[in-house]
Amino acid sequence: QSVLTQPPSVSAAPGQRVTISCSGGRSNIAESYVSWYQYLPGAAPKLLIYDNNRRPSGIPDRFSGSKSGTSATLGITGLQTGDEADYYCGTWDSSLTAWVFGGGTKLTVL
Amino acid sequence: EVVLVESGGGLVQPGGSLRLSCAASGFALSRYAMAWVRQAPGKGLEWISGMSESGYNTYYIESVKGRFTISRDSSRNTLFLRLSSLRSDDTAVYFCARATIPFGDYSYYYMDVWGKGTTLIVSS
Repeated sequence: QSVLTQPPSVSAAPGQRVTISCSGGRSNIAESYVSWYQYLPGAAPKLLIYDNNRRPSGIPDRFSGSKSGTSATLGITGLQTGDEADYYCGTWDSSLTAWVFGGGTKLTVL
Repeated sequence: EVVLVESGGGLVQPGGSLRLSCAASGFALSRYAMAWVRQAPGKGLEWISGMSESGYNTYYIESVKGRFTISRDSSRNTLFLRLSSLRSDDTAVYFCARATIPFGDYSYYYMDVWGKGTTLIVSS
């Protein structure tokens, strides 16, 4: 069982918007910055969002992030079939002195 | 171009040992914190170990403490993960990742460069 909780799956039609939630606690999300990763099996995981809401260069502004209290959210607008992947939130946990990931959310673009 | 390439995976018997390597190019390993992350079959990503930029501080999750050791060779610009007392639940794809820790504050920690992984199968 992961320290951070994400929905196992989400789906939406091409062109639509989807959000993926990430719930944690006091020792992780509440006091640390959240980052989000996109993972396609066989490929290298890719950083999408860091510092809760900042995008690395090359990541389109269709991807956004936010955080409030012990929860964070990844938003993806203008969904494309190429967005189908697994998405993971993560942050540092001060109690564990370790990084923790959410369990991952599989995005299906119908 | 900044690239990480893992190697060293394979088939190992339970109780055996192995060393994974992660060759870095395009940046100096000694200037960054680094991490190892794995994905077991049908499971999610799991961060298992990290090393600070200085190399003095290392971190492990409970399930690998005492069995895995992270290290680096700055002259070869290569990160290592020594795995011992291997169990079937260590079967996974192992990734190395570059970690950025602005201001040395771990609350800002994130992983911005990743390799494609190397596969370890622990089975008799």
